[in-house]
Amino acid sequence: DAGITQSPRHKVTETGTPVTLRCHQTENHRYMYWYRQDPGHGLRLIHYSYGVKDTDKGEVSDGYSVSRSKTEDFLLTLESATSSQTSVYFCAISVGAGGRNEQFFGPGTRLTVL
Amino acid sequence: QQQVKQSPQSLIVQKGGIPIINCAYENTAFDYFPWYQQFPGKGPALLIAIRPDVSEKKEGRFTISFNKSAKQFSLHIMDSQPGDSATYFCAASKQGGSEKLVFGKGTKLTVNP
Repeated sequence: DAGITQSPRHKVTETGTPVTLRCHQTENHRYMYWYRQDPGHGLRLIHYSYGVKDTDKGEVSDGYSVSRSKTEDFLLTLESATSSQTSVYFCAISVGAGGRNEQFFGPGTRLTVL
Repeated sequence: QQQVKQSPQSLIVQKGGIPIINCAYENTAFDYFPWYQQFPGKGPALLIAIRPDVSEKKEGRFTISFNKSAKQFSLHIMDSQPGDSATYFCAASKQGGSEKLVFGKGTKLTVNP
């Protein structure tokens, strides 16, 4: 699992509530990513980070924000959760250089928004 | 706009068969093409990857074939086993693109005993 943990692993929440998912890595890799996985859509990039306090939007960033105050932690926040954000969320890190982008994924967080 | 198109969506083969999963890309700047394997309830795991300077790469029973002119690449699984039953994703990235991967939508493979 490349030293990646995600918390919580499962969460059920109600529409309109804020939710924060945490990704933690133990190996000080520069790049970190948040994806969501939905049937028929594969893996879609939400936000990514290329260093402490350096983040950028991905393909499906609306309704999500991120923060990275330490190298090892990358937080994904849903300010006001909606049912369309019910999904499985994966964190990933990038290992390698020179175009050899080997991404390793965490175990995932299953989020249900009622 | 889907940058990486993967087919088929699902595939069923018998043990020992050779499933083939195909991907096509549009961006000629892509220069790294990995395949990921995902089992239910787990995160995707890197299986094998190829750069466009070679046309084929083998790792064990898994082979990537790459056709740069056609902008296509495929995964072949030799002597498939029931334990290979999983969802497979192709992906692509370009150097200098913040190491971002663009994924295909996935192929669910079932290998029957």
